[in-house]
Amino acid sequence: DSGVTQTPKHLITATGQRVTLRCSPRSGDLSVYWYQQSLDQGLQFLIQYYNGEERAKGNILERFSAQQFPDLHSELNLSSLELGDSALYFCASSVGGETGRGEQFFGPGTRLTVL
Amino acid sequence: DQQVKQNSPSLSVQEGRISILNCDYTNSMFDYFLWYKKYPAEGPTFLISISSIKDKNEDGRFTVFLNKSAKHLSLHIVPSQPGDSAVYFCAASPTGTASKLTFGTGTRLQVTL
Repeated sequence: DSGVTQTPKHLITATGQRVTLRCSPRSGDLSVYWYQQSLDQGLQFLIQYYNGEERAKGNILERFSAQQFPDLHSELNLSSLELGDSALYFCASSVGGETGRGEQFFGPGTRLTVL
Repeated sequence: DQQVKQNSPSLSVQEGRISILNCDYTNSMFDYFLWYKKYPAEGPTFLISISSIKDKNEDGRFTVFLNKSAKHLSLHIVPSQPGDSAVYFCAASPTGTASKLTFGTGTRLQVTL
């Protein structure tokens, strides 16, 4: 158990809908990262928040947005969903803002299926 | 454009033998490399890392080798155990933006009895 929790575990929805994925980082971790893993693909970095502020951005679509709240949990909002958004979405956390010199701790993921 | 490549989708090794997982990268700005292991229905877990100032890092049964000139790294597991059966991801981060990890597509390792 990494200490990172993600809810829900599974989500099935229809095209055009909007969903919110939630992540609680490990106790004491200030950074939260979101990744998308499509079928047979590596994890694609979406976005990082550090202590409530956006720190780094990857290939995140404009239909997607995220935020980190004062209690450090984070939400990833996906709107106008398309079939291609079906994927595993992972959240990770780390103590500091520059994680490459350490490690990220990953949650179990949320599997999103868009029908 | 796949900047981190794991060209072997799967690998099968007998228990007790050495497992060698390979990873190639194209971005010269990458200077920190990590290996993660992933079991089904779980998130990836950090295994071992290496900075570009080194060419080898060891942690128990796991050793990572980095060949900067070839832009290649490898993970050696000796001896391999059935519990090592998992998907292994190579990841890299560039100078100055260490938080943006770029992952490979993974290699599924199966350790057989």
